[in-house]
Formats: sequence, structure tokens, C-alpha cells
Amino acid sequence: GEDVEQSLFLSVREGDSSVINCTYTDSSSTYLYWYKQEPGAGLQLLTYIFSNMDMKQDQRLTVLLNKKDKHLSLRIADTQTGDSAIYFCAERTGNNRKLIWGLGTSLAVNP
Amino acid sequence: GAGVSQSPSNKVTEKGKDVELRCDPISGHTALYWYRQRLGQGLEFLIYFQGNSAPDKSGLPSDRFSAERTGESVSTLTIQRTQQEDSAVYLCASSLGGSGTDTQYFGPGTRLTVL
Repeated sequence: GEDVEQSLFLSVREGDSSVINCTYTDSSSTYLYWYKQEPGAGLQLLTYIFSNMDMKQDQRLTVLLNKKDKHLSLRIADTQTGDSAIYFCAERTGNNRKLIWGLGTSLAVNP
Repeated sequence: GAGVSQSPSNKVTEKGKDVELRCDPISGHTALYWYRQRLGQGLEFLIYFQGNSAPDKSGLPSDRFSAERTGESVSTLTIQRTQQEDSAVYLCASSLGGSGTDTQYFGPGTRLTVL
């Protein structure tokens, strides 16, 4: 069945790079998304990548996709305290519009 | 407003009571989704509406859960005879419903607590 897995916690120092990893099982994924959830706030789309791409860069964010290993990562350069949040990986498969979500990675940024 | 709105933001109810949660999608968005997020968990898909098509109800956990949508506007999620395990944040999202990425935009959620 469909499954998306993420590590639950990540702690980094301010100014370092953060790498959040995600694995998925469905090889028919079409789009993969990263969402950010801050305390008391709604889910915010950070970025997405189409399944025929290997990499996407957007300012401090770099998404890498390894289709062979079904592995997705989100790199945040120069991590700031404002980046502290829970980061969710989600996949969309085929023409199905519902998203399959990971449990989220809680990123703590220490000054 | 420009975003997805949900009401109420918080709802506390007694076990066995019915509750109605409301979602106002972004104007012009034909697709609308309901998700449930239990404490410390990821999002669990509940139901999806797309235009005038029959909704995808495959995620509804029991027949106590139902949802309606009026045209391409407001949606209500109804939970009958609430149970303590229904306690969660209920999130609504909407999207344009077209091809391509069809990004889902989320509302702030309704936190439901069943005592």
C-alpha cells in the first residue's frame, strides 16, 4: 500500500544546513510536496517537485528526488530560528488528488 | 478573505453529541478536501469534492462521518454521536482542481475536543 515515512525529530544550530528526509513506497507518485506547519498556524506549502525531476532549488530550499530509491529530501540552507516547525512530506499518485502524508519531522533550531 | 477559512476554530463537545464543522474555500477553487490530524500524527484523508462529481468518501472512518458541499462553495463536515477518539484537528483544503500540481491550500483547522 501507500506509505510515506519521515524521521520524527531533527535538531540543528542556527546557520547550519538542515536536511529532512522522506521515503515513499508508491512508484506511481507524480508530485511530491513539502509543507511546513508552525505552532498554531495552518499548513503552508513550501515547495514541490514533479516526479520526472531530480532536483529543484528555491532560494534557501533545495529538494532532491531519488526515484530509484524512492527517497526525497529537503535541504534548508543557513537555517534560522524562524525555520523551527514541523515539516511534512506528501505524495500524490497518478490522477488521484488526495495526498498521502508522512508523520512530519519536527525541526528545532538552536541559537 | 483570500485564504481558506474554517469555523469554529475550537469546539468542545460531550461524547454522543453531533458537531458540524464549516469550511469556506478560496473563491474559484473547484476542489475541496477534508483531513483529520490527530495529536502528533500526520494528516489522514477523509473526503474530497471536485466540482459536480460524486465525492471521494474513501477516507471517512465510519458512517458517523458525513460531508456536504454546496456547489463550489461552502462545505460542512458532520460528525454524529461523537466519540473521544474523534478528538483531533480537522483541516480543510481547496485547490483549483485542474491538471498539473493542483496545489492544496489549507485552512487553519478546527480543533475538536470530545469530553
